[in-house]
Parts: sequence; structure tokens; C-alpha cells
Amino acid sequence: DIVMTQSPDSLAVSLGERATINCKSSQSVLYNSNNNNYLAWYQHKPGQPPKLLIYWASTRESGVPDRFSGSGSGTDFTLTISSLQAEDVAVYYCQQYYSSLRTFGQGTKVEIK
Amino acid sequence: EVQLLESGGGLVQPGGSLRLSCAASGFTFSNYAMTWVRQAPVKGLEWVSTISGSGTSTYYADSVKGRFTISRDSSKNTVFLQMNSLKAEDTAVYFCAKDPRGAVGWFDPWGQGTLVTVSS
Repeated sequence: DIVMTQSPDSLAVSLGERATINCKSSQSVLYNSNNNNYLAWYQHKPGQPPKLLIYWASTRESGVPDRFSGSGSGTDFTLTISSLQAEDVAVYYCQQYYSSLRTFGQGTKVEIK
Repeated sequence: EVQLLESGGGLVQPGGSLRLSCAASGFTFSNYAMTWVRQAPVKGLEWVSTISGSGTSTYYADSVKGRFTISRDSSKNTVFLQMNSLKAEDTAVYFCAKDPRGAVGWFDPWGQGTLVTVSS
């Protein structure tokens, strides 16, 4: 199985400041034939279902604010919240779909400092 | 609007069985793979199982292989998860989610989830 490891496990950021979450896969999730990275990011708030933010590592889902961005390739990826808002407090997960046995990172909790 | 509604959760004793259902609407059901993901208390998300749009291909996490069976009924636009030989560590909220068209990929959207508690 492809193991996804996120860092940090939690972070506290001041309102309006940048939040950066890292995700590392145990093997490359870049599919050479189409040059796509098979990686998605989700936001999960208590009592709600997870919400898709990013797919193909950097494609923002429709309706997701542009302060959310994804980057990276191969085995190393980043989710950036450029200017943290109060409503962004949540747990964030990366997920690979390179393998049909999909796997998530352990999650990163984002709080307000 | 795509809607997914899970049902069937509840309290079950270790070794028991439970069948979860996920009723789908708002899209052409047979065109999309469907997936179950769970979240144990105070834990992260864990992919459980996926079934292709045609129902001919199924995939399982090692933690549930041989105990859980995923299936779908296109006449009812419903996907099922039959859970047998349940263990305490299967206690979780179970979400169903839709895969992208024609592929096994990301999950969007998700249902609200149904709670399964395995305890004596």
C-alpha cells in the first residue's frame, strides 16, 4: 500500500496568515503517461462530511476559495491556505488515488492562534 | 444536485453482522464507482471499499478483506456494505462517497455518514 504521511499533525496560525500543510507519499503518485499527480486534498469539519478541495494535486474544486492552493509532484505535496479565515478551522487530509487501494494521510488539524 | 444518504448503522455485538445502505440521487448511478470510507473515534479517515460503476470490480482495504462485501443495485440507485465478523475496531462513522466519472479517483461528494458501534 502507498503510505501517506502529513506534517505537521497540527498547527496554529493567526487570522490572515499563511498555513502550510505537507504530504509525502511512500512512492511516486505521478503517472508518467499523462503527467498527472494522483493526489487530492480534503477539509473535514466536526459533524460534517469531508469536503473535496483539490484534485490532480493542484486543481481547485469548483466553489473552493482561491486562498486554497495545492502544489508538488512525485512524492512531495503541499496544501497552502494563503490567508487563514476563521471558517478554515478543520482537519485537512491528503489522499492518493494512484493505486486502486486508496489511502489517506493521518490528517493535520488547523487552529487559530 | 447529487445526494447520498447512508442508513443501517447501529449497535452490534462483536462477531455480529450489519448491512449499510447508501441511496444515491442526482446523477446517472451506473456511470460512477462508489466508495465507503470510515472514521473511527478520534482517528483519521480510512478508505474501506470501492465498487466500479458496472459492479464487476471491487476493492477492499486489508483491514476488512474477507469480512466486508460491497455491492450495488442499479435499479434502486443504492450501494451496500455487508459487514460480517465485526470487531471493536470496526467502530466508526461510515461515509459513502462518489468517485469521478469513469475512474477510481477522489471522493466527491460524501454522504453525512452512519455510525456503527461494535460493543458487547
